[in-house]
Amino acid sequence: AQSVTQLDSQVPVFEEAPVELRCNYSSSVSVYLFWYVQYPNQGLQLLLKYLSGSTLVKGINGFEAEFNKSQTSFHLRKPSVHISDTAEYFCAVSKSQGAQKLVFGQGTRLTINP
Amino acid sequence: NAGVMQNPRHLVRRRGQEARLRCSPMKGHSHVYWYRQLPEEGLKFMVYLQKENIIDESGMPKERFSAEFPKEGPSILRIQQVVRGDSAAYFCASSPFPRGHNQPQHFGDGTRLSIL
Repeated sequence: AQSVTQLDSQVPVFEEAPVELRCNYSSSVSVYLFWYVQYPNQGLQLLLKYLSGSTLVKGINGFEAEFNKSQTSFHLRKPSVHISDTAEYFCAVSKSQGAQKLVFGQGTRLTINP
Repeated sequence: NAGVMQNPRHLVRRRGQEARLRCSPMKGHSHVYWYRQLPEEGLKFMVYLQKENIIDESGMPKERFSAEFPKEGPSILRIQQVVRGDSAAYFCASSPFPRGHNQPQHFGDGTRLSIL
């Protein structure tokens, strides 16, 4: 079975500062990795995904993530955040073979302060 | 191209009533997933369906919950005899293929179910 741990439940950051949201996963099989963002009262929007190839993945809204197989991590980063980045961020994994169901972490609430 | 449509957006039921949540996948998508988000928690997988087939229901509670995805019409998640613990946001996601990871799951805006 797969599991995902998001190490920080809340991350407050000042506007224009850099941010890193941490994600570690556990799996006995090969996985795909995803970051989703959820704005209040909305569904989830895909930020980026890692399937294979380059371990540095670039997504929408200036976000990027790096897959580290040895540390089983997939941390999300942005060099300069904006007020509009305030949202809940979810890291998720799915098996690379078989059913595509997603296993989510608990989420990290990113709050951007002016 | 319309996204995943869920209705209603908000649903209030009294204990013991039935709740029906609907999900229309994106056009061209024949695979539907249901997830539940309890307060202050992440999303948990419930069930995966293709047209007229339940493929994986390993996340569904054993009683009171059922899901279907008929040949025509939306997918339905049905909760019978609701209890307070069923209060949650229920999300539907769709994808065009079972292994279409280059086209990941697209999520609807969810149905927020409140049990009085």
